[in-house]
Amino acid sequence: GEDVEQSLFLSVREGDSSVINCTYTDSSSTYLYWYKQEPGAGLQLLTYIFSNMDMKQDQRLTVLLNKKDKHLSLRIADTQTGDSAIYFCAERDGGSQGNLIFGKGTKLSVKP
Amino acid sequence: NAGVTQTPKFQVLKTGQSMTLQCAQDMNHEYMSWYRQDPGMGLRLIHYSVGAGITDQGEVPNGYNVSRSTTEDFPLRLLSAAPSQTSVYFCASSGQGRTGANVLTFGAGSRLTVL
Repeated sequence: GEDVEQSLFLSVREGDSSVINCTYTDSSSTYLYWYKQEPGAGLQLLTYIFSNMDMKQDQRLTVLLNKKDKHLSLRIADTQTGDSAIYFCAERDGGSQGNLIFGKGTKLSVKP
Repeated sequence: NAGVTQTPKFQVLKTGQSMTLQCAQDMNHEYMSWYRQDPGMGLRLIHYSVGAGITDQGEVPNGYNVSRSTTEDFPLRLLSAAPSQTSVYFCASSGQGRTGANVLTFGAGSRLTVL
């Protein structure tokens, strides 16, 4: 079945760039997503990318998609302490119902 | 707009008790879903619905029932709670279930403890 893998932890210094990586298995995925979860809260959409795109940029966020390697990354420029959270990668499964399959999440810690 | 509203936020049950987690959305979204979040496991899909009167199973449906009598509401029922169902439950909805990006809007979560 489909699977989404991402590393569990990342620690960076304030002001540095953060890069969170993700791999997925379903080559028929049409959309891939990044969600952010702050402590005690639900998930909030950060950005998503359509599978025919290689890159998407939105202010401090840059998403890179390598469809050949089934690899997705999220770069956060000028990381701030407020960016500390869990970041989830997700893919839209290739089936007709459009369910999202999530990775286990990467906990980003930003040190001052 | 309230978005996706989940109640209760916290609940403690004893093994064998039953309860219903409520989920309501006011965005006229066709697609609704329930996930559970466990440490180290990410989010796993329990049940989903692509419209009123239609429900289907996700990855981990055992021990849970759902119904979708209206577009707005998608309750999750635990008929006989087990300690393995201790988790944080999230309801999510989307206006683009079968087509498009299916961007999910999440509720704030319901934390359930089964003793």
